[in-house]
Amino acid sequence: EVQLVESGGGLEKPGGSLRLSCSASGFTLSNAWMNWVRQAPGKGLEWVGLIKSKGDGGTIDYAAPVKGRFTISRDESKNTLYLQMDGLKTEDTAMYYCTKEESGSHPYWGQGTLVTVSS
Amino acid sequence: QSALTQPPSASGSPGQSVTIPCTGTSSDVGGYNYVSWYQQHPGKAPKVMISEVNKRPSGVPDRFSGSKSGNTAFLTVSGLQPEDEADYYCSSYAGRNIYLFGAGTTVTVL
Repeated sequence: EVQLVESGGGLEKPGGSLRLSCSASGFTLSNAWMNWVRQAPGKGLEWVGLIKSKGDGGTIDYAAPVKGRFTISRDESKNTLYLQMDGLKTEDTAMYYCTKEESGSHPYWGQGTLVTVSS
Repeated sequence: QSALTQPPSASGSPGQSVTIPCTGTSSDVGGYNYVSWYQQHPGKAPKVMISEVNKRPSGVPDRFSGSKSGNTAFLTVSGLQPEDEADYYCSSYAGRNIYLFGAGTTVTVL
């Protein structure tokens, strides 16, 4: 059974950094296309970025609002996905979900981890 | 990279049908068959209801259906039930490894 568990959220000041983790089980992370999706309080879903499977080259891409500030990576030995968030802004406040992508959709989601950026 | 366009709300009585449009461009919805729809209840993670325009994942009731015409995709919920009251989001691949979501539609069962 595919399971995704996010952690690492919390309160951080503007300009600060946080690293989110997404622990995966039931499949091999490096063989999957993985995404980060966020949802600001009371707002809609926003795609953050993706990392392709190792077999598809491991390409990483980001949405324009986070490009240059956020970094997606994975640790194969821990079967864990990461989202390093630097230069945090108040508008980055959101619930962050990791998802396992299949054929252009997101059938598997974690429970989310809440990031609050405030002074 | 603009969000896909959805109406903020839709409603119907139990047993009726409701159709939610999701409008994009020829670079996203119109250009790829990677349109998916998600249901989200308050405080819960989203759940995929439709993938690849019109494919229904295992376990999703057959009263949910998807379609596409040009740059607009549609989610239809037939035979509305109280548990269908939720927020619904569309998503589309937009090329160059980019994905877009719609702003969401709140469905109310009257």
